[in-house]
Amino acid sequence: DQQVKQNSPSLSVQEGRISILNCDYTNSMFDYFLWYKKYPAEGPTFLISISSIKDKNEDGRFTVFLNKSAKHLSLHIVPSQPGDSAVYFCAASVEEKLTFGTGTRLTIIP
Amino acid sequence: KAGVTQTPRYLIKTRGQQVTLSCSPISGHRSVSWYQQTPGQGLQFLFEYFSETQRNKGNFPGRFSGRQFSNSRSEMNVSTLELGDSALYLCASSYGGVRAGELFFGEGSRLTVL
Repeated sequence: DQQVKQNSPSLSVQEGRISILNCDYTNSMFDYFLWYKKYPAEGPTFLISISSIKDKNEDGRFTVFLNKSAKHLSLHIVPSQPGDSAVYFCAASVEEKLTFGTGTRLTIIP
Repeated sequence: KAGVTQTPRYLIKTRGQQVTLSCSPISGHRSVSWYQQTPGQGLQFLFEYFSETQRNKGNFPGRFSGRQFSNSRSEMNVSTLELGDSALYLCASSYGGVRAGELFFGEGSRLTVL
């Protein structure tokens, strides 16, 4: 039972445009959400997080939106840069236990 | 500040064998968690240790076990290996857990079971 789902395995975006990565979850007990980025042969690195008491968190080019009623999380990257090409994982937490999605491979086209 | 170090980086085992993977967290971090990454399944949580105690456990069979030492270094063991255990095993450390600080991941140990 996949409690955190990233339904798009891959996404291609033109450099300079907006990248939108989506994530859906089923467990209403999740109270903290994170996005991680992973390059090949490296471990995931933390990008941005949001608490369930907020609906938006921004950090530079990265913004995470949380829609609790829809159980939906999204990551916006503006503007997209070639270095953003990576696999992005969303993750949700309850009681210190993290559940990750299956990842979306983002490719930025120069 | 040194990052999370995992050893070995690559290893090949045969079915029925056992394997031990090691993780050295960032200095000062007390929480170590382990994840299994396979294609199509993403990262699946194995367990988390905090101050030598298992604090959380995922839905893996008892063949998967772990421990944490007083210096916060952690090991995970998989006994009676199966072909499906082939995966990238990632270790992550944080100061106090998911909320207290975001996780810092190592580069992983890639296990191939033949």
